[in-house]
Amino acid sequence: DTEVTQTPKHLVMGMTNKKSLKCEQHMGHRAMYWYKQKAKKPPELMFVYSYEKLSINESVPSRFSPECPNSSLLNLHLHALQPEDSALYLCASSQDVGRPLWDEQYFGPGTRLTVT
Amino acid sequence: GENVEQHPSTLSVQEGDSAVIKCTYSDSASNYFPWYKQELGKRPQLIIDIRSNVGEKKDQRIAVTLNKTAKHFSLHITETQPEDSAVYFCAASFKTGNQFYFGTGTSLTVIP
Repeated sequence: DTEVTQTPKHLVMGMTNKKSLKCEQHMGHRAMYWYKQKAKKPPELMFVYSYEKLSINESVPSRFSPECPNSSLLNLHLHALQPEDSALYLCASSQDVGRPLWDEQYFGPGTRLTVT
Repeated sequence: GENVEQHPSTLSVQEGDSAVIKCTYSDSASNYFPWYKQELGKRPQLIIDIRSNVGEKKDQRIAVTLNKTAKHFSLHITETQPEDSAVYFCAASFKTGNQFYFGTGTSLTVIP
């Protein structure tokens, strides 16, 4: 299995709602990522988990809360979002072989989020 | 911090012609340079990558060249086909973690 899967594909939520995005991979990768992508822009890194521990938080507002229940799963909990948070949210994973080596990141199909 | 510049932002070529996209980076510690292709509404997909210990890598119609001294790397697509139409992002590794700096993207259109 060489895929990263994400659910749901689309999500519409109000500013007072609480929802969660889910990501799963079964490639044995130990690093998992959340990115936010606006139209016609590159992906922006939000969070990195390495061996199930949060290793990078790119100063993301607390209304976004990541969770890594195990090495195959990654969640992003959403609460009190703003309309400007509407974007494509991409999950990715990689082997995490350790610096200075690098390895490929594989992206999931994304969740298209609309905040109304 | 790291800065990755990508040019051009849009590129139109006739089918069968070559396309070249160029990126420059600022962090001399960057040592991994992937290229992603993203079709409309789809995920970014890795198409080729290069590590700092080589100067060129080729995979069928796609090649990447790296000049570490000048801190730039380029994507070359030969014999372009309409299905090559997409947005292409370059990226450079960041020294302190599992991070990439992405370029701003190039929208490639191959005209049949």
